[in-house]
Amino acid sequence: KQEVTQIPAALSVPEGENLVLNCSFTDSAIYNLQWFRQDPGKGLTSLLLIQSSQREQTSGRLNASLDKSSGRSTLYIAASQPGDSATYLCAVDSNYQLIWGAGTKLIIKP
Amino acid sequence: KAGVTQTPRYLIKTRGQQVTLSCSPISGHRSVSWYQQTPGQGLQFLFEYFSETQRNKGNFPGRFSGRQFSNSRSEMNVSTLELGDSALYLCASSLELRADTQYFGPGTRLTVL
Repeated sequence: KQEVTQIPAALSVPEGENLVLNCSFTDSAIYNLQWFRQDPGKGLTSLLLIQSSQREQTSGRLNASLDKSSGRSTLYIAASQPGDSATYLCAVDSNYQLIWGAGTKLIIKP
Repeated sequence: KAGVTQTPRYLIKTRGQQVTLSCSPISGHRSVSWYQQTPGQGLQFLFEYFSETQRNKGNFPGRFSGRQFSNSRSEMNVSTLELGDSALYLCASSLELRADTQYFGPGTRLTVL
């Protein structure tokens, strides 16, 4: 059974710092891995999607990596801004359904 | 292009009642997925519909059901509500079945008293 874990559960950093969020999964047989952000009172916004054959994806200040063999993914956020404050979730597409981590609540202090 | 819309946004029901939630996907999207989000269990996949057929189902009891109409709009029904059904129910649409990118609606907050 696929399980997804995100560490840390919460993170608070000063504005301008670079940071890394971690996601691990137990079964390497995944179709893809996705990172989302969730803002209070809103739905989820897709940030990055990495296909199982890829190693990383980049969008602006965000970079996500995937190491299937070790069951790990990281989301790197460069030069953090207060607007980056949100809960970040990773999800793996496994057996035709998304299995979700519990999320990392990120607070960027001005 | 309008995003995914969900109605109602908030709902309060009592135990034993039933409830129907609605989701309108982005125009042109043919796949609709439903998720339940609770503080204790996090986000869990309920089911996915494509071309009016349920294509995949998560591990939820039969009280949870859904359907999709010819215009791709989808409804989710929960019968005999329990306190534990209180959750945020999210709908997501995508172009095709198991498409890479899913677009989420704002969710329906269901409270069961």
